[in-house]
Amino acid sequence: IAGITQAPTSQILAAGRRMTLRCTQDMRHNAMYWYRQDLGLGLRLIHYSNTAGTTGKGEVPDGYSVSRANTDDFPLTLASAVPSQTSVYFCASSDSPGTDTQYFGPGTRLTVL
Amino acid sequence: GQNIDQPTEMTATEGAIVQINCTYQTSGFNGLFWYQQHAGEAPTFLSYNVLDGLEEKGRFSSFLSRSKGYSYLLLKELQMKDSASYLCAGLDSNYQLIWGAGTKLIIKP
Repeated sequence: IAGITQAPTSQILAAGRRMTLRCTQDMRHNAMYWYRQDLGLGLRLIHYSNTAGTTGKGEVPDGYSVSRANTDDFPLTLASAVPSQTSVYFCASSDSPGTDTQYFGPGTRLTVL
Repeated sequence: GQNIDQPTEMTATEGAIVQINCTYQTSGFNGLFWYQQHAGEAPTFLSYNVLDGLEEKGRFSSFLSRSKGYSYLLLKELQMKDSASYLCAGLDSNYQLIWGAGTKLIIKP
């Protein structure tokens, strides 16, 4: 089934630990995005990639890193998790950056204690 | 700064019509999106407006006024399954989406 998958679905993590959230799409979309969604706030862009091999910083990039080695995968790494990174993380993709519709994965609920 | 404003919560009756408003301030403007998000699920695309006017798509319509920095989503013949959050997002000059916090729509029988 075409779409975006994310793993894990949920995770509880001790502060200071390293964590990688996985995102894979099979739509051959060029652009991919990572957002976090917190209660009472809109989705906030963490990092994005307009095409394989390139990445860029969004609104809230501190404490996160990404890589885009190929078209399909766009992992998000928290090098040393802190409680303020407790959130729901959504990965999204679009055929091209800009006006094309973004399609979202099911999300990862992350709790940092 | 960039900002998207929409009401936090609205309540409507099954079978009725509801209008969800959104005002935006973005650095440049390349269009306005509406997404639907059911509780615990991912956002899904509803509409995209870049020109002024009304775009109708079945029971859902979206309106844009660029001069007023204003959009609305109109939902007709409301059904219980329309209970969800509705997210307004403006596309800025860097083609990045600026998201509102969402409007939670509660449908009552």
